[in-house]
Amino acid sequence: KQEVTQIPAALSVPEGENLVLNCSFTDSAIYNLQWFRQDPGKGLTSLLLIQSSQREQTSGRLNASLDKSSGRSTLYIAASQPGDSATYLCAVYSGSARQLTFGSGTQLTVLP
Amino acid sequence: SAVISQKPSRDICQRGTSLTIQCQVDSQVTMMFWYRQQPGQSLTLIATANQGSEATYESGFVIDKFPISRPNLTFSTLTVSNMSPEDSSIYLCSVTTQTKNIQYFGAGTRLSVL
Repeated sequence: KQEVTQIPAALSVPEGENLVLNCSFTDSAIYNLQWFRQDPGKGLTSLLLIQSSQREQTSGRLNASLDKSSGRSTLYIAASQPGDSATYLCAVYSGSARQLTFGSGTQLTVLP
Repeated sequence: SAVISQKPSRDICQRGTSLTIQCQVDSQVTMMFWYRQQPGQSLTLIATANQGSEATYESGFVIDKFPISRPNLTFSTLTVSNMSPEDSSIYLCSVTTQTKNIQYFGAGTRLSVL
């Protein structure tokens, strides 16, 4: 059974800092990994998707990496802004389960 | 990509009543998913809804409590039946594209049961 863990559970940083969010998964047989953003009381916004054959994806100030063999992904946010404050969720799409398995999220607060 | 419209966006309901949540997609998709997110928790899959067949429910979820309809390739409904305060959650509709297995989410329905 796929299990996804995100560390840390919460993070507070001053504006302008670079930061890294971590995600680990137990079953390396995945199709892809997605990073989502969720604002309080809202739905999910897809930030980046990394296919199993890829090692990283970039979008603006965001960079996500994937090391499938070790079961790890990181989301790097450069020059953080208060508008980046949200919960960031990692999810893996597993071949065996044919569904997304979510981590519990990292709640990020960027202080002005 | 896929654009998902979910209604209602939020509701406050009385114990014992039922609420039907609608999910409309702007393109035809094979697989639609319904998730629940309880306060402070991550997402849990309730069921997978495929057009033309019965929904497949995950462990801990039953059809009598969460009946699902999937009349065509762009629409689905989830009903939360005989509600109790424990059903207070955000309910999210999601679809996956056939290419690249990318999953898209609606904005969610925030349900509060008194």
